[in-house]
Amino acid sequence: AQSVTQLGSHVSVSEGALVLLRCNYSSSVPPYLFWYVQYPNQGLQLLLKYTTGATLVKGINGFEAEFKKSETSFHLTKPSAHMSDAAEYFCAVRKAGTALIFGKGTTLSVSS
Amino acid sequence: ETGVTQSPTHLIKTRGQQVTLRCSSQSGHNTVSWYQQALGQGPQFIFQYYREEENGRGNFPPRFSGLQFPNYSSELNVNALELDDSALYLCASSPTRDSGGGETQYFGPGTRLLVL
Repeated sequence: AQSVTQLGSHVSVSEGALVLLRCNYSSSVPPYLFWYVQYPNQGLQLLLKYTTGATLVKGINGFEAEFKKSETSFHLTKPSAHMSDAAEYFCAVRKAGTALIFGKGTTLSVSS
Repeated sequence: ETGVTQSPTHLIKTRGQQVTLRCSSQSGHNTVSWYQQALGQGPQFIFQYYREEENGRGNFPPRFSGLQFPNYSSELNVNALELDDSALYLCASSPTRDSGGGETQYFGPGTRLLVL
């Protein structure tokens, strides 16, 4: 069975600092991996996804993530945090023919 | 291009009642998925509809049912509401059935249901 673990339910950074949100997955076959962001009182917006090919994936708003098969990880990073990045972030995994499986989410706080 | 819309935005019901939530998919999308997001949790898959037929279901009881219409809009119906059904219900559409796995799902803003 697939599963997703997001390490750290809450991450706090200062504006301009590196953002690192951790995601590890469990899957018997190479999965498709996604990061979504949820702002308060809104639905989920896709930040980026990995399907095949290059393991470093660039997304919107300056975010990127690297698929590391040997570590079963798909951590999300941004070199310099902005106040507008404060939100809930969800990592998700899916194999062909199955539904999206989400992690429990990580709340990112950005202080000035 | 109109995105995914959901109605109503908020809803309060009492235990035992029935509720219907509605979703209009993004233009050109024929697949709709429904998710339940409890407070402090990630979304959980309820079911998916493709061309008016159920195309996969998560671990939810039969009192959770759905419909998809010829225009690809969709309804989620929940009978005999329980307190634990209080959650944000999210609808997501995608341009094709999720046979490949890599298709992007586009989410609506959700309906927040409170069961008292």
